[in-house]
Amino acid sequence: QTVVTQEPSLTVSPGGTVTLTCASSTGAVTSDYYPNWFQQKPGQAPRSLIYSTSNKHSWTPARFSGSLLGGKAALTLSGVQPEDEAEYYCLLYYGGDQRVFGGGTKLTVL
Amino acid sequence: QVQLVQSGAEVKKPGASVKLSCKASGYTFTTYFIHWVRQAPGQGLEWMAIINPSTGGINFPQKFQGRITLTRDTSTSTVYMELSGLRSEDTGTYYCARENMWNHDYWGQGALVTVSS
Repeated sequence: QTVVTQEPSLTVSPGGTVTLTCASSTGAVTSDYYPNWFQQKPGQAPRSLIYSTSNKHSWTPARFSGSLLGGKAALTLSGVQPEDEAEYYCLLYYGGDQRVFGGGTKLTVL
Repeated sequence: QVQLVQSGAEVKKPGASVKLSCKASGYTFTTYFIHWVRQAPGQGLEWMAIINPSTGGINFPQKFQGRITLTRDTSTSTVYMELSGLRSEDTGTYYCARENMWNHDYWGQGALVTVSS
């Protein structure tokens, strides 16, 4: 069974920078996994931030960026704002239309 | 504007089935896949299934084999997901989301399914 692993929780100060990662039990994450990143706040549906590793939507704040880092997918927030406090999920594609979500990272802005 | 509007909350008994709908608008229905994703209370997201509204082709993880059925009605731009043999672990919020070229951009508002005797 494929497992996608994220940091369970991270804390960052307002204005700071933080990187969330997304690892696969099958090995290094590459662009062929088309990593997606989603933000979810309590009581809300997930909101897409990044797709295919590093592509942003029109609504994605410029402070969010996606990349591959050390065999993992990564989401970096630069200049964190209080409203960035949320749960963040990555999604990886495994071929044959199969996808797996990571367990999520609870980001606290303190 | 793109919208995915889901059906309302459901309460079901163990062993029953639930059929949820996801009505798309604001784009050409057959040009985007539709995914179903669920979230148990206080837990993370779980990918459940994908349907190609153009062909009706579906795919889902092995764990849902024999329990999940996805259909679509192109005349109403609606996708349906039926889950049978409900158990308490199926309690949670169910979301639909559209996807094209690995871009899962718009999501439905979610539908709470409660399985309880």
